[in-house]
Amino acid sequence: LAKTTQPISMDSYEGQEVNITCSHNNIATNDYITWYQQFPSQGPRFIIQGYKTKVTNEVASLFIPADRKSSTLSLPRVSLSDTAVYYCLVAPGGRRALTFGSGTRLQVQP
Amino acid sequence: DVKVTQSSRYLVKRTGEKVFLECVQDMDHENMFWYRQDPGLGLRLIYFSYDVKMKEKGDIPEGYSVSREKKERFSLILESASTNQTSMYLCASSLTLLGKEAEQYFGPGTRLTVT
Repeated sequence: LAKTTQPISMDSYEGQEVNITCSHNNIATNDYITWYQQFPSQGPRFIIQGYKTKVTNEVASLFIPADRKSSTLSLPRVSLSDTAVYYCLVAPGGRRALTFGSGTRLQVQP
Repeated sequence: DVKVTQSSRYLVKRTGEKVFLECVQDMDHENMFWYRQDPGLGLRLIYFSYDVKMKEKGDIPEGYSVSREKKERFSLILESASTNQTSMYLCASSLTLLGKEAEQYFGPGTRLTVT
């Protein structure tokens, strides 16, 4: 299983762009990179997924370099409601489930 | 809209009791998962099931068992609850395990306290 490493916590202010980087050095060829968001007292929620280059949706962008050994979740113009824990996961092939690490706790201040 | 429901939001049990946590999904998903979440440790996979009556151990299966008799329902069983099993338990389901459709949908969680 590809292990992921991401910062434990980050602070930001409303209106700023936030970039959270995740390293996954032993990612396999058929692995996808997925990010989830979790608010207090709720289960995690899917944000975005990618395989290579760049993916963008209405919530975030995901940047993946050519070697795929890292990925960066970009949240444009964060608001207080973006305060949450963000998890980076690498989806393994075969009959194995995802493994969530400890995530990055993002605190957005006014 | 995918819905994953869990039988209780809060549960208090005594040491040694047998505990059942139930999870139901309404999207005909193949895969279902049980995680526990503890402060500082993130989510840790206990068991998952990729088909009816099929299961695989996750990272921390000790002290737990699971049952999947019907596709929509996945039960987590604590045979003899202990205080170190006090935790938030989260159930999830997904259509596939691979690629783009492996997105997991989570239930609201059950906060279990074992006294």
